[in-house]
Amino acid sequence: KNEVEQSPQNLTAQEGEFITINCSYSVGISALHWLQQHPGGGIVSLFMLSSGKKKHGRLIATINIQEKHSSLHITASHPRDSAVYICAGTSNTDKLIFGTGTRLQVFP
Amino acid sequence: DSGVTQTPKHLITATGQRVTLRCSPRSGDLSVYWYQQSLDQGLQFLIQYYNGEERAKGNILERFSAQQFPDLHSELNLSSLELGDSALYFCASSPGSAGYNEQFFGPGTRLTVL
Repeated sequence: KNEVEQSPQNLTAQEGEFITINCSYSVGISALHWLQQHPGGGIVSLFMLSSGKKKHGRLIATINIQEKHSSLHITASHPRDSAVYICAGTSNTDKLIFGTGTRLQVFP
Repeated sequence: DSGVTQTPKHLITATGQRVTLRCSPRSGDLSVYWYQQSLDQGLQFLIQYYNGEERAKGNILERFSAQQFPDLHSELNLSSLELGDSALYFCASSPGSAGYNEQFFGPGTRLTVL
């Protein structure tokens, strides 16, 4: 069992739909990162959070420390949101532990 | 553009060879992290340097080594290459030493071992 689990593995949506990607972790972490990887391979850091909620444009990330769970929400999804979304936890030894990623495809 | 540069973008080599991947962090960032992304293993943390010193070590093979130079650029050396070393290698940088700092990723080096 991976220390950081994501669901779903694959997700398809119609443009405009509200999307949720979930991340659960079984180890102690000091922070949770959400990353976006586009088909070209480049990785962009979307959020880093250790408590509560953060919002950037149409993206919202939340974390529940007690339940060891984080969610990434995309409102009013758009085809350009199509990418792989990866969550990663910063372990107590400062190493990033990655989830396996969620591949999102948004169709017009 | 994250401000992190990696060279080369692509590298094709043969088994048994040695290669060097280079990373220049964002201006002002003292930490450099190296990651490997292979099809079967996903993203894995290899090693972190902070201001020239090794700070954290992950799943880095003994055939691999890294260093960070006084100008803060870093190199990842891969030797005795095997087919299974084919992967995308990313470096990332952050201002501080702690892993809870936001990390900025370079575009990656795609290594193909034939």
